[in-house]
Amino acid sequence: DADVTQTPRNRITKTGKRIMLECSQTKGHDRMYWYRQDPGLGLRLIYYSFDVKDINKGEISDGYSVSRQAQAKFSLSLESAIPNQTALYFCATSDVAGYSTGELFFGEGSRLTVL
Amino acid sequence: AQSVTQLDSHVSVSEGTPVLLRCNYSSSYSPSLFWYVQHPNKGLQLLLKYTSAATLVKGINGFEAEFKKSETSFHLTKPSAHMSDAAEYFCVVSRTGGGADGLTFGKGTHLIIQP
Repeated sequence: DADVTQTPRNRITKTGKRIMLECSQTKGHDRMYWYRQDPGLGLRLIYYSFDVKDINKGEISDGYSVSRQAQAKFSLSLESAIPNQTALYFCATSDVAGYSTGELFFGEGSRLTVL
Repeated sequence: AQSVTQLDSHVSVSEGTPVLLRCNYSSSYSPSLFWYVQHPNKGLQLLLKYTSAATLVKGINGFEAEFKKSETSFHLTKPSAHMSDAAEYFCVVSRTGGGADGLTFGKGTHLIIQP
């Protein structure tokens, strides 16, 4: 089994629908991150969390919310999806050392299409 | 402020020939630099990192990169390409010790290996 698991892997939805992407990890890391990848662009940080009670906005948090249900679980929600949120979404984790050195462990991605 | 430019969106080489993926960076701080690799339908994986130690950094699968401060470059090389190297490669910059939430990703270089 993968260390960082994302569900669903693929999702097609309609404009205005609420969508939740889930991430769970077995690495025992405190820190978790949600990134968005668009074709021809690098990854951009949406939200990150240092622990269950510490949630922080990233570069592009507008239109998104997150929930850290437990150390191992970090969910990303789109309250009312719009077409320009069509993208590939990645969850990532790091330990304390990895946070300083930039070493992240990524899930396999969730491809979201908003029609 | 920091930025990273990957000079080629696509690179095509023949199997067994050298690989060169180019990356230039800009940073107001002493940077940390990374290369991540993304194989098809997989998450990103750290290939190698520079964090102010040796300027020639060796990574996994025979890849290496050289930090050249005078040229603000961090190019990725491999002496002999293998079919399994076909993937997307991302150059990433961060200020040293700056944290994973401060990573700036390049737009990626798609490496194609011709048989």
